[in-house]
Amino acid sequence: DAKTTQPNSMESNEEEPVHLPCNHSTISGTDYIHWYRQLPSQGPEYVIHGLTSNVNNRMASLAIAEDRKSSTLILHRATLRDAAVYYCILRGYGGATNKLIFGTGTLLAVQP
Amino acid sequence: SAVISQKPSRDICQRGTSLTIQCQVDSQVTMMFWYRQQPGQSLTLIATANQGSEATYESGFVIDKFPISRPNLTFSTLTVSNMSPEDSSIYLCSGIAGGKNIQYFGAGTRLSVL
Repeated sequence: DAKTTQPNSMESNEEEPVHLPCNHSTISGTDYIHWYRQLPSQGPEYVIHGLTSNVNNRMASLAIAEDRKSSTLILHRATLRDAAVYYCILRGYGGATNKLIFGTGTLLAVQP
Repeated sequence: SAVISQKPSRDICQRGTSLTIQCQVDSQVTMMFWYRQQPGQSLTLIATANQGSEATYESGFVIDKFPISRPNLTFSTLTVSNMSPEDSSIYLCSGIAGGKNIQYFGAGTRLSVL
């Protein structure tokens, strides 16, 4: 499985933007970049995913480098509820590659 | 989307016993998975639950210890057999639903083995 590298922890202030980086230099051409987060005492939840182009949804934006070797999850205005562990995961599509293998993630702390 | 319910939400068990965890999804899912999350750690994939056939286990996990059933598209069980204190973890069920390949997770079953 292609591996991702994320900072262990980051800190942000409430209502400020947050940029969570992820390096995936061994990404293959068919790997999608997925982001999930895990709030305290809950199961992980989907945030966003993309293949090559930048993506936006109601939760966040995903900026993907042109060479696809890195990506950044952007929370436009952090709230206290966004404090969680954020996982950047590479995932194939279909068959045995279609499973999420979690790394250690980034623990995001949001200060009021 | 899909809502995944797990039962029990938590349990305290004696060494040497077995516990079966149930996972119910409110809609059909194409794939189902079971994960383990040890205290303070990330999630580790145990196996892919296959409908009507044997589960596909990840390295380090075996059927005798973690038998899995998936009789239909919305239900699966994971049994933790012959438990020891090292099996104390959160066990999470997950499924892929919808056309966007999004994976949904249950809240987990918190297991303590004495």
